[in-house]
This record gives sequence, structure tokens and C-alpha cells, in this order.
Amino acid sequence: EAGVVQSPRYKIIEKKQPVAFWCNPISGHNTLYWYLQNLGQGPELLIRYENEEAVDDSQLPKDRFSAERLKGVDSTLKIQPAELGDSAVYLCASSGNRGDTQYFGPGTRLTVL
Amino acid sequence: GEDVEQSLFLSVREGDSSVINCTYTDSSSTYLYWYKQEPGAGLQLLTYIFSNMDMKQDQRLTVLLNKKDKHLSLRIADTQTGDSAIYFCAEILNTDKLIFGTGTRLQVFP
Repeated sequence: EAGVVQSPRYKIIEKKQPVAFWCNPISGHNTLYWYLQNLGQGPELLIRYENEEAVDDSQLPKDRFSAERLKGVDSTLKIQPAELGDSAVYLCASSGNRGDTQYFGPGTRLTVL
Repeated sequence: GEDVEQSLFLSVREGDSSVINCTYTDSSSTYLYWYKQEPGAGLQLLTYIFSNMDMKQDQRLTVLLNKKDKHLSLRIADTQTGDSAIYFCAEILNTDKLIFGTGTRLQVFP
């Protein structure tokens, strides 16, 4: 069974440019999460989806970050415009349903120059 | 409040046991998890324990939970060089939010 797929694995952009990350969860998983992992720290939740509905986006900086999961399967996280402080690893995870064990993808490492 | 704490580093000799410790603050946590992260990779689920259990063993891994002290530990028996990684403990709150510790970097030397 395929795990959580993320692309790209690495992205280098200049500040003020837009960037987008894509995630495909494990087949059949209804709940999808986006996490931010800064260097030397544990992941922090940005947004959680139940199917296509964003049910917890309290930690998402809405002035520059947006996310969507239109058909309740794959998801896109966007930053526009990117800032130097956005350099981090962006992790996607999925679980069968709310409260189930979360399985993580390999992450996208973003470097903003 | 939501806070999970871990020591930053642990260094052990190959073949010895490793014990990674974690403290958490939310007594309502239903499950507690251990994840492993190798360089440049995502988080790999190692094991988890339900909050009404004291111990769980899975091959070389033993998880101990002291709910009174809000203390969780992961013991790795016969530690190998391939176990070198960062280990994160995490608690899940009633809101289904996973709270991670800062991670413990385990270094195994021959």
C-alpha cells in the first residue's frame, strides 16, 4: 500500500515568490493534515481537513498561506508571497478518520532566499 | 496547557539499551506516540500506547507510561547504528490535535 505522497521534495525560491506543495494521502484516509517543522523542532499543525472541509485552521497564517482539498482526496498548500522565515519542512499526514493514527509523508523542504 | 518536553541528545554504544524520556502536560491525552525521523525523511510511526496502559512491548521497543507523573519513555533494546535518528514523542488531545516534543537525537556509536 502506498504511503502519503508529497511533491516536490525540495524547493528553493526567492522571497516574495509564490510556492505550492502537493499531498496525496493514503487511499481511503478521510483526514488530512498539514504540519510545519522548523529546524530542530517538532512538527506543528497548520490545518486539518475532514474530507474537503477545513475543520482546524487556527494555526494557519491566513494572510499569506492558503490550502485546499477540493475533492476530499489530495490537497495543496500555498504560500504567497513567501518570506525568509517560511524556510522549513512542510509535512503532510493522513489518518483514516478523526483521532486515528496519523501517517506522515516525506515532507517538502522549502528554502527561501 | 499543551507542552511536551524531551531531552535533546542521547548517545549510546551499539548493543546497549537506549532510553528516551518524555514528559507531557495534558492529562486528557488518549494516546501517546513515538515517531522516528531520519535525516531528510518524514516521520515514521514506531509505536503508540493507549493512556490506560502502563506498558507496551513491540520487539526491541518497550514503552512505559506513568500517567500520574505524565511521563513516557521509549526503551530500545540492543541499539543498532540504524537506530540513529531523531525520536519524537507526541500526545493527542481531545481535539485530535497531535502535540509533538522537540525531539531527541539518538546517536549510536560502535
